[in-house]
Amino acid sequence: ETGVTQSPTHLIKTRGQQVTLRCSSQSGHNTVSWYQQALGQGPQFIFQYYREEENGRGNFPPRFSGLQFPNYSSELNVNALELDDSALYLCASSFSLASYNEQFFGPGTRLTVL
Amino acid sequence: AQSVTQLGSHVSVSEGALVLLRCNYSSSVPPYLFWYVQYPNQGLQLLLKYTTGATLVKGINGFEAEFKKSETSFHLTKPSAHMSDAAEYFCAVRTPNSGGSNYKLTFGKGTLLTVNP
Repeated sequence: ETGVTQSPTHLIKTRGQQVTLRCSSQSGHNTVSWYQQALGQGPQFIFQYYREEENGRGNFPPRFSGLQFPNYSSELNVNALELDDSALYLCASSFSLASYNEQFFGPGTRLTVL
Repeated sequence: AQSVTQLGSHVSVSEGALVLLRCNYSSSVPPYLFWYVQYPNQGLQLLLKYTTGATLVKGINGFEAEFKKSETSFHLTKPSAHMSDAAEYFCAVRTPNSGGSNYKLTFGKGTLLTVNP
């Protein structure tokens, strides 16, 4: 069974640019959540997708957007990058929406904005 | 609103000593509580979770946690620390999504555990 994978592992961008981060969910999982983890902080919820539809969003501006594909892989897009967007971005997949289900986390993408 | 407070951003113990990592929560719905561990340059791995039922929850790697509703706590313990336990630990509570029908995880700021030989 393949776990959650993310690409790329590291990324360096400059202010104002756009970035796309990718996540491949664990086999059989139809729900994916994205989190931002700033240095020295706990992960903060960005949004969740269930069967290709956004199903909840955290306190992040609209320049953070996402997609989920029919194979349940997912993308996080960030436009107009700001310095404060520098963080580890984690995706997590789960078997369903049920809140007792474990969320399986990927290793993350480290984004640095210069 | 749901929130999690982890007391102590850094805990240092000797190998073989008791590990105690503290977590207090607030929740407007019946709490589901989770402990995750993060090793350097890795994602989060679930250690254990409390949903309903028995309040003493056993997890992987010898860790356990006890849900105490009266104290709104969910502290993580391990009787004897091992060098391989050195990592960052996060407590989390399920939180209703705004505008959605489901839940997200709200995390504490984490506690870095170091284990001294």
